[in-house]
Amino acid sequence: EAQVTQNPRYLITVTGKKLTVTCSQNMNHEYMSWYRQDPGLGLRQIYYSMNVEVTDKGDVPEGYKVSRKEKRNFPLILESPSPNQTSLYFCASSLLGQETQYFGPGTRLLVL
Amino acid sequence: RKEVEQDPGPFNVPEGATVAFNCTYSNSASQSFFWYRQDCRKEPKLLMSVYSSGNEDGRFTAQLNRASQYISLLIRDSKLSDSATYLCVVNFAGGTSYGKLTFGQGTILTVHP
Repeated sequence: EAQVTQNPRYLITVTGKKLTVTCSQNMNHEYMSWYRQDPGLGLRQIYYSMNVEVTDKGDVPEGYKVSRKEKRNFPLILESPSPNQTSLYFCASSLLGQETQYFGPGTRLLVL
Repeated sequence: RKEVEQDPGPFNVPEGATVAFNCTYSNSASQSFFWYRQDCRKEPKLLMSVYSSGNEDGRFTAQLNRASQYISLLIRDSKLSDSATYLCVVNFAGGTSYGKLTFGQGTILTVHP
């Protein structure tokens, strides 16, 4: 089944404790992206990647890192999480040249 | 001004009603337009792309007005299962902005019996 998976789905952590949210897709998509969704603000892009070893900042990259060592994986790293990073996070992927993006199921993060 | 603006609603309509959502975008160079649907606590899913000539998919009709920079979605004969948040999405693909989707806040629709 073609899909985008994210782990964990739910996470409660404390300020300053490094965490990684994994994202994996099995559709051989070149393009992958991370969004966060907050009430009243909609979905905002954090980082995106157009291929292996190619990443770039989105609209709200501060406090986040990403890597793209393999085509299928695009982990989101919070080196020192803060409460303002409490949010719902979505990973998405697509083929280059196709604008339809497929979203993962989301990760709910609470930073205390 | 937000890049993509929608009326957040909520819209509460009875089954069988016709409901329309509008969305405006600020970047006149925007190239692609979509409506996504998001169910509560779930991921967004593509509902339909929006073409300049307008397009229809069953009970759903999407329109694009480039001159006025707005997009619309019309739902006819509403079903209970149409209850969701509808996201207006615009893609400005220029320079290094390939594939950058900009989302509106979403419009909440509740269809009641």
